[in-house]
Amino acid sequence: DAGVIQSPRHEVTEMGQEVTLRCKPISGHDYLFWYRQTMMRGLELLIYFNNNVPIDDSGMPEDRFSAKMPNASFSTLKIQPSEPRDSAVYFCASSETTPIRQFFGPGTRLTVL
Amino acid sequence: AQSVSQHNHHVILSEAASLELGCNYSYGGTVNLFWYVQYPGQHLQLLLKYFSGDPLVKGIKGFEAEFIKSKFSFNLRKPSVQWSDTAEYFCAVHIGNQFYFGTGTSLTVIP
Repeated sequence: DAGVIQSPRHEVTEMGQEVTLRCKPISGHDYLFWYRQTMMRGLELLIYFNNNVPIDDSGMPEDRFSAKMPNASFSTLKIQPSEPRDSAVYFCASSETTPIRQFFGPGTRLTVL
Repeated sequence: AQSVSQHNHHVILSEAASLELGCNYSYGGTVNLFWYVQYPGQHLQLLLKYFSGDPLVKGIKGFEAEFIKSKFSFNLRKPSVQWSDTAEYFCAVHIGNQFYFGTGTSLTVIP
């Protein structure tokens, strides 16, 4: 398996634009997590899914953020409109039947100008 | 290529034993270092982080870590573990604009 795949690896956009981050979890994994990592706050959980259903989205910072998982092999994290403070590395991770061990994707580095 | 190594994949300790989990990275420049914990059924949480200054960093729940630049290490320690410390522990290194995670160490504390 290729592991967790994220695209794009780097995204530079202007304030106010819509940004869509994509993730393909490891095949057969039931859980999918979206994290944001910044220097000051470390890794923050934004939302996670179990069997494509959002379980906990309490970490989503505000209504500008939304996440979907239309099927077991694909998820998106959307920011609309984007702001400079959204600049961070966004990680997607997946795990098997219980979220004990997570496998992380390479991350998407987002820069909002 | 940069990498992070956690040599202990699974550690089993009795309560009150001392803990040290190893973390080594391969990069000669400036790094920022993190330890995360994942309790059963929960998501990752930040234990502690090192950016600069005192190489001995104290985190939550009695954990501490020491940055030894000459050894490229950032080992996690706790003098006396509790059953509630049973979890998965991840070391992470921030280099430039990239973050690298270790493969994790599973800690089981026996009451």
